[in-house]
Amino acid sequence: QQQVKQSPQSLIVQKGGISIINCAYENTAFDYFPWYQQFPGKGPALLIAIRPDVSEKKEGRFTISFNKSAKQFSLHIMDSQPGDSATYFCAASKASGTYKYIFGTGTRLKVLA
Amino acid sequence: ETGVTQSPTHLIKTRGQQVTLRCSSQSGHNTVSWYQQALGQGPQFIFQYYREEENGRGNFPPRFSGLQFPNYSSELNVNALELDDSALYLCASSIGLGQQETQYFGPGTRLLVL
Repeated sequence: QQQVKQSPQSLIVQKGGISIINCAYENTAFDYFPWYQQFPGKGPALLIAIRPDVSEKKEGRFTISFNKSAKQFSLHIMDSQPGDSATYFCAASKASGTYKYIFGTGTRLKVLA
Repeated sequence: ETGVTQSPTHLIKTRGQQVTLRCSSQSGHNTVSWYQQALGQGPQFIFQYYREEENGRGNFPPRFSGLQFPNYSSELNVNALELDDSALYLCASSIGLGQQETQYFGPGTRLLVL
């Protein structure tokens, strides 16, 4: 119930293509879903986040799509660039307690030039 | 850069030893969380401190302990190190409590237990 399942584990995309990473959760108490980007040797950095009262949120080339009934959410990276090559983590948290993040297992994205 | 620093960057210890990892948060960030990230995995929540009090703990044994200081620095202590403690340890700070408070992560300390 506490898990967030993330797929795929790795992804190779051509420059200019669309990268899509999917996450699923079980715990309906989760109501905040951030995405983090991590480059080698660095800590994760917040990309974009969504709450379940909206089905989509867009910031620049990054879009989160959220399907509350399916308990799934996904990150779309439009016009993927080689500089987007990194590991991406989805996460979820509840609106009470420690607000700790439950992270997915990560997706290693490589964008080919 | 997030303004969150961690020291040391790398550390090698042997099984049974004790280790202290340090984190310096941004000024004004009253909340610090510590995470363990095993190779190829997502970060796992260890515990969180808010204004120097523990505010929650993940599924880690008591040999993992922490402290938060008034100067926005914090420590993670691990006693009786085990081989499985080898991981990247991340601290993340935020201004307050609340799920929409952005957590700013430091670069981590990579611990290797031999």
